[in-house]
Amino acid sequence: DAGVIQSPRHEVTEMGQEVTLRCKPISGHNSLFWYRQTMMRGLELLIYFNNNVPIDDSGMPEDRFSAKMPNASFSTLKIQPSEPRDSAVYFCASSSLSGANVLTFGAGSRLTVL
Amino acid sequence: QKEVEQNSGPLSVPEGAIASLNCTYSDRGSQSFFWYRQYSGKSPELIMFIYSNGDKEDGRFTAQLNKASQYVSLLIRDSQPSDSATYLCAVDSNYQLIWGAGTKLIIKP
Repeated sequence: DAGVIQSPRHEVTEMGQEVTLRCKPISGHNSLFWYRQTMMRGLELLIYFNNNVPIDDSGMPEDRFSAKMPNASFSTLKIQPSEPRDSAVYFCASSSLSGANVLTFGAGSRLTVL
Repeated sequence: QKEVEQNSGPLSVPEGAIASLNCTYSDRGSQSFFWYRQYSGKSPELIMFIYSNGDKEDGRFTAQLNKASQYVSLLIRDSQPSDSATYLCAVDSNYQLIWGAGTKLIIKP
């Protein structure tokens, strides 16, 4: 298995632009998580999907952030409009059982908003 | 607020010695405990998980869990320079993991 695949690996954009991050979970994994990591705040859970359904999006910072999972093999995290404080590494992770279990992380998408 | 506490370090250990990493958690209902390793610029990867009180060994790594004290630790025997990384403790709380801020471990040759 190729693992969790994220794209793009790096994104540099200007404030106000729309950013879309993509994730392909491991085939057969039914739980998908989007995390954000910064030096100041560590790993923060943004949203959790189970069987393609959003279970908890309470970690999404504000309405500028949205996430979708249209099918079992694809998810997106969108930021519109982006702001400099959104600069972080965004990780997608998947697991094979519902809820907290062994997570496999993607390589991450490093976002810089100028 | 459910929390997981770790000493941020850095923890400096000579090569070949035992590195001891510690973690405390606040949710007494937690059942699963995880240690992840994260190299600089990389994503977290699972080292070990433990569910029961006591020790669990996997090669040079030993996880120790004491639910009464709400304490979990990771021991790394015969530390190697390649073990230099940030070690993240994660504890399950309902359907999600609560993460510690991580301990930076430096193994000195």
